[in-house]
Amino acid sequence: DQQVKQNSPSLSVQEGRISILNCDYTNSMFDYFLWYKKYPAEGPTFLISISSIKDKNEDGRFTVFLNKSAKHLSLHIVPSQPGDSAVYFCAASPRGGAQKLVFGQGTRLTINP
Amino acid sequence: NAGVTQTPKFRVLKTGQSMTLLCAQDMNHEYMYWYRQDPGMGLRLIHYSVGEGTTAKGEVPDGYNVSRLKKQNFLLGLESAAPSQTSVYFCASTPPETGGGGYTFGSGTRLTVV
Repeated sequence: DQQVKQNSPSLSVQEGRISILNCDYTNSMFDYFLWYKKYPAEGPTFLISISSIKDKNEDGRFTVFLNKSAKHLSLHIVPSQPGDSAVYFCAASPRGGAQKLVFGQGTRLTINP
Repeated sequence: NAGVTQTPKFRVLKTGQSMTLLCAQDMNHEYMYWYRQDPGMGLRLIHYSVGEGTTAKGEVPDGYNVSRLKKQNFLLGLESAAPSQTSVYFCASTPPETGGGGYTFGSGTRLTVV
């Protein structure tokens, strides 16, 4: 039972355009939603997060949107740069406790020059 | 500025062999985790620890054991390796009350069981 789903295994975007990565979840107990970025042969690194009490959080070129009624979140990257090429994991965490993250399957983003 | 260090980085095991993966962090983090990453599955939690001397099961704990005798170290053991345990293993640590955004991951251990 996949509680966090990323239905697009890959996405290709032209440099300078907007990249939109999507994620759906099923568990209403999730309180924080996060995006992690992963380069080959490295561990994931934290990118941006959003609390369930917000619908938008912005950090430079990265914006995360949360639609609680649809149980959907998205990551917007604008403008996209070649260094953004990586695998992006959506993750969710319930309130309090051990902060165990539940990850989606990942989306491989390729930025083309 | 080591962060989270995993050893070894690569290992090939024969079915039935045992091994221990070591995770060491130098950030004085309370919480530590072991995840495995498989194609099309994302990262799945194996075991975790919220403090020295404590461990708990995650989503996929079968076939693994863990120990956290010292705050900075979290060991993952495979008693009798199976081909289904072929995967990339990631250790992570975080201080509490970060909502999940404070994870620091190691660079991973690629394990192949033949």
